[in-house]
Amino acid sequence: QKEVEQDPGPLSVPEGAIVSLNCTYSNSAFQYFMWYRQYSRKGPELLMYTYSSGNKEDGRFTAQVDKSSKYISLFIRDSQPSDSATYLCAMSRVQGAQKLVFGQGTRLTINP
Amino acid sequence: DSGVTQTPKHLITATGQRVTLRCSPRSGDLSVYWYQQSLDQGLQFLIQYYNGEERAKGNILERFSAQQFPDLHSELNLSSLELGDSALYFCASSEGGLAGFTGELFFGEGSRLTVL
Repeated sequence: QKEVEQDPGPLSVPEGAIVSLNCTYSNSAFQYFMWYRQYSRKGPELLMYTYSSGNKEDGRFTAQVDKSSKYISLFIRDSQPSDSATYLCAMSRVQGAQKLVFGQGTRLTINP
Repeated sequence: DSGVTQTPKHLITATGQRVTLRCSPRSGDLSVYWYQQSLDQGLQFLIQYYNGEERAKGNILERFSAQQFPDLHSELNLSSLELGDSALYFCASSEGGLAGFTGELFFGEGSRLTVL
């Protein structure tokens, strides 16, 4: 069983929809949670970062962590075609980026 | 543009061969990370170097090796290549031994390796 599970999709939604992306994990020691966005033929880039449980909002994006359920989510409101990308969750036990464990990534397409 | 440069962008080679992938980190970044991305395994951490020294090791095969040079660029050497080594290989960099509070890694655009 993988430490981090993420549905690879693909997920296709109409423009303006609310998108929910999720990851589950098995290692309760994970404390730092990240979402990376990867456009086609590009490297991943950090989108959101959260520590421990709770919510964090940044514009149209909200990251949510539920450590009791070992479940993290990324919500995208008012989705735009430019949000079409692969979204990877990542997590680590310690502060910083050593040995980040990534999910497989969910490929998202926003249709105009 | 992340500031991380990887060469070559594409590489096609045969089984049993050896290739070298090159990475130049962002200016000022001391850490270099290598990741392998494949469709079935996702993004897998291979190895990290910090200021020329190996700092952390992940699921790196013995056929693979890496090094970081005094000018901080890094090379990933893949030998005795097998079909299953076909993947995207990403280099990422960060300022310190840890990627700061946010865990932010700056990724290059990757080197796509195809083993035939």
